[in-house]
Amino acid sequence: AQTVTQSQPEMSVQEAETVTLSCTYDTSENNYYLFWYKQPPSRQMILVIRQEAYKQQNATENRFSVNFQKAAKSFSLKISDSQLGDTAMYFCAFMKHGSQAGTALIFGKGTTLSVSS
Amino acid sequence: GAVVSQHPSWVICKSGTSVKIECRSLDFQATTMFWYRQFPKQSLMLMATSNEGSKATYEQGVEKDKFLINHASLTLSTLTVTSAHPEDSSFYICSARRRDSGFFGPGTRLTVL
Repeated sequence: AQTVTQSQPEMSVQEAETVTLSCTYDTSENNYYLFWYKQPPSRQMILVIRQEAYKQQNATENRFSVNFQKAAKSFSLKISDSQLGDTAMYFCAFMKHGSQAGTALIFGKGTTLSVSS
Repeated sequence: GAVVSQHPSWVICKSGTSVKIECRSLDFQATTMFWYRQFPKQSLMLMATSNEGSKATYEQGVEKDKFLINHASLTLSTLTVTSAHPEDSSFYICSARRRDSGFFGPGTRLTVL
């Protein structure tokens, strides 16, 4: 079974600064996907970034980037130039690769990020 | 991305009644949808996998007779909470997979009095 661990329950950062959220996972699979989702106070789950395990290059989406270390099973999220709108709960998630439409996302416990001015 | 809708967004019901929550994929077909439950400030816990045209698969510890799932078409899955009790009060979220990413409905807040 797969597990996802987020060891930082809460983080805080000042506007315009950079913050890194940690995530580790455990799996025996070789091909899989990793995700970071954002859940603001509205509670709508928003996909922030996706990484395919077979790609060595780290994914980036504007101010969001990841540091994917496959051997260490580590997948951290870096948010640059933090904005007040980044305040949310962030979830790291794992999903098996392939055409298995029946494969669900497995989530970590989440990190609550607060951005202050 | 992909759009997933959920209805209703908020429901209050009396103990012992049943409540139906709908989840629709608006711009794609989803042979499989997922139902999650989330308590305040906690993570999403997978309840069941909804398969179009066949029986749902429930996670360990989830009562299939209490949480009835029907996936009648490629764009609609429903979750019915039967004989609801206050301990069933929670936030329920559906999800569908498209192009190897998961997309979520906005969630349904259920309060059972």
